Amino acid sequence: DAKTTQPTSMDCAEGRAANLPCNHSTISGNEYVYWYRQIHSQGPQYIIHGLKNNETNEMASLIITEDRKSSTLILPHATLRDTAVYYCIVYNQGGKLIFGQGTELSVKP
Amino acid sequence: DTGVSQDPRHKITKRGQNVTFRCDPISEHNRLYWYRQTLGQGPEFLTYFQNEAQLEKSRLLSDRFSAERPKGSFSTLEIQRTEQGDSAMYLCASSPPAGWRYEKLFFGSGTQLSVL
Repeated sequence: DAKTTQPTSMDCAEGRAANLPCNHSTISGNEYVYWYRQIHSQGPQYIIHGLKNNETNEMASLIITEDRKSSTLILPHATLRDTAVYYCIVYNQGGKLIFGQGTELSVKP
Repeated sequence: DTGVSQDPRHKITKRGQNVTFRCDPISEHNRLYWYRQTLGQGPEFLTYFQNEAQLEKSRLLSDRFSAERPKGSFSTLEIQRTEQGDSAMYLCASSPPAGWRYEKLFFGSGTQLSVL
């Protein structure tokens, strides 16, 4: 069973930052927070992951609270191509990814 | 990376027929995963291999489903006596060995199965 809670849907204006929240209050010490997204009719695509420190890559930033019970994925300048379902996953490396329902992000012009 | 390749992209079959899907993972990736996804839901884990060994199978994988990875490279997923409830997107993913670089799964574009 998924160990995360995400809003079902969110809207964002093109060019603005998209902030996608995720609650994972039962996360254990050796579990990572991973984010994937799935654009319609494609397989999920890896975005970013972290353990306890904030992370940034060319796609996004990941902010993890100090108690690790929640995190936020930030797309700094959302474009129409960022419209997708975003999945927040708590993952024990070496195991398997368990997907929840995700957040459907709609980027509007 | 050349990406994870799945074949066919679409499959339409009649109820009761057998179907087989193929997945070619990224070379050097020793782990391979199968997922199933129905409309509006997140992908559901079915099974995974490390090299040629099938290490875990979900309870979702009934006796009609069988997956193989005979030489630790490509994998096949067979569904026997298909039912309309088997209609879904079947996704394959691969990942490098644990501790090698960092872990992430690379997904293929999936095989869309429609059972009439």
